[in-house]
Amino acid sequence: KQEVTQIPAALSVPEGENLVLNCSFTDSAIYNLQWFRQDPGKGLTSLLLIQSSQREQTSGRLNASLDKSSGRSTLYIAASQPGDSATYLCAVQGGSEKLVFGKGTKLTVNP
Amino acid sequence: SAVISQKPSRDICQRGTSLTIQCQVDSQVTMMFWYRQQPGQSLTLIATANQGSEATYESGFVIDKFPISRPNLTFSTLTVSNMSPEDSSIYLCSVEEGVREQYFGPGTRLTVT
Repeated sequence: KQEVTQIPAALSVPEGENLVLNCSFTDSAIYNLQWFRQDPGKGLTSLLLIQSSQREQTSGRLNASLDKSSGRSTLYIAASQPGDSATYLCAVQGGSEKLVFGKGTKLTVNP
Repeated sequence: SAVISQKPSRDICQRGTSLTIQCQVDSQVTMMFWYRQQPGQSLTLIATANQGSEATYESGFVIDKFPISRPNLTFSTLTVSNMSPEDSSIYLCSVEEGVREQYFGPGTRLTVT
């Protein structure tokens, strides 16, 4: 059974800092990995999707990497801003379309 | 990417009643998914809904409790039946596009008293 773990559970940083969020998964037989952002009481916004054959994806100040063999992914946020404050969720997809989610990292960026 | 809307955005319901949540997509999609997010927890898949066939439920979720309809390629409903306080959650629908990337609706926040 696939399990996804995200560390840390919460993170508070000053504005402008670069930061890394971690995601690990137990079964390396994944089809893809997706990073989402969730604002309080809201739905999920897809940030980046990395297919199993890829090593990384970039979008603006965000960079996600994938090491499938070790069961790890990182989300790098450059020059953080208060508007980046949210919960970041990692989810993996195996052979079926089902996404298995981690519990998320709650990020607070302080002005 | 698909634009997804859900109704209602939130509701407060009494124990023993039922609530039907609607999910509308602005494009035709084959697969739609329903997830639950309990307070302080991550998302758990309830079921997968394909148009023209019965929904496929995950372990721990049953059709009598969470009946799902999928009448066409842009719409689905999830009913939470005979509600108890333990059903208080955010319910989200999602769709899959492209290279199996999933997009989510804004969610329905349900509180059962």
